[in-house]
Amino acid sequence: EADIYQTPRYLVIGTGKKITLECSQTMGHDKMYWYQQDPGMELHLIHYSYGVNSTEKGDLSSESTVSRIRTEHFPLTLESARPSHTSQYLCASSPNPGQGNTEAFFGQGTRLTVV
Amino acid sequence: RKEVEQDPGPFNVPEGATVAFNCTYSNSASQSFFWYRQDCRKEPKLLMSVYSSGNEDGRFTAQLNRASQYISLLIRDSKLSDSATYLCVVNLYNQGGKLIFGQGTELSVKP
Repeated sequence: EADIYQTPRYLVIGTGKKITLECSQTMGHDKMYWYQQDPGMELHLIHYSYGVNSTEKGDLSSESTVSRIRTEHFPLTLESARPSHTSQYLCASSPNPGQGNTEAFFGQGTRLTVV
Repeated sequence: RKEVEQDPGPFNVPEGATVAFNCTYSNSASQSFFWYRQDCRKEPKLLMSVYSSGNEDGRFTAQLNRASQYISLLIRDSKLSDSATYLCVVNLYNQGGKLIFGQGTELSVKP
């Protein structure tokens, strides 16, 4: 069982609110990722991190921001939520090649609805 | 062109059928390859890694052709429980180990 956790699992929030989606892993992985996925659609990488104080934007433009102050924690923030942000957000982590198999482990996701 | 492309689905097959999924990748620096399975409204989970020599896990066989930049997954004797979306994943070592997912191929196994 993967040791990566996302909270909240479900969130319904009004337009204009600031929200932070939490993601934590206890596996000591350097790499962490945020993906956005609409129902029945493909995963889109929106942010990733190589390690502490390292963050990069992914392939899909996103109005969200991330931070990586601690290895185990990779929160995603939306300053002002809009209905177009309604989606599922999946966090994942993976080790560096030298740390073992490079497969990614996913959290259970946060299903966000902005009304 | 997408970095990772999979067969468009859905694949609708009867129980007991053999089904093959194909995946191509464009970045020759890709070093690690995986097949993931994603059930409806759930997170993706690792099905199997793909090794250069090919590898088998029960009814599942994965193959890698680096020269053609092609990965495949074969499922034998399909079960109803195999119904899911199958995702091809490559790890780009020359981009810091960024993981790129294909768009997925949906499999529906019918009785």
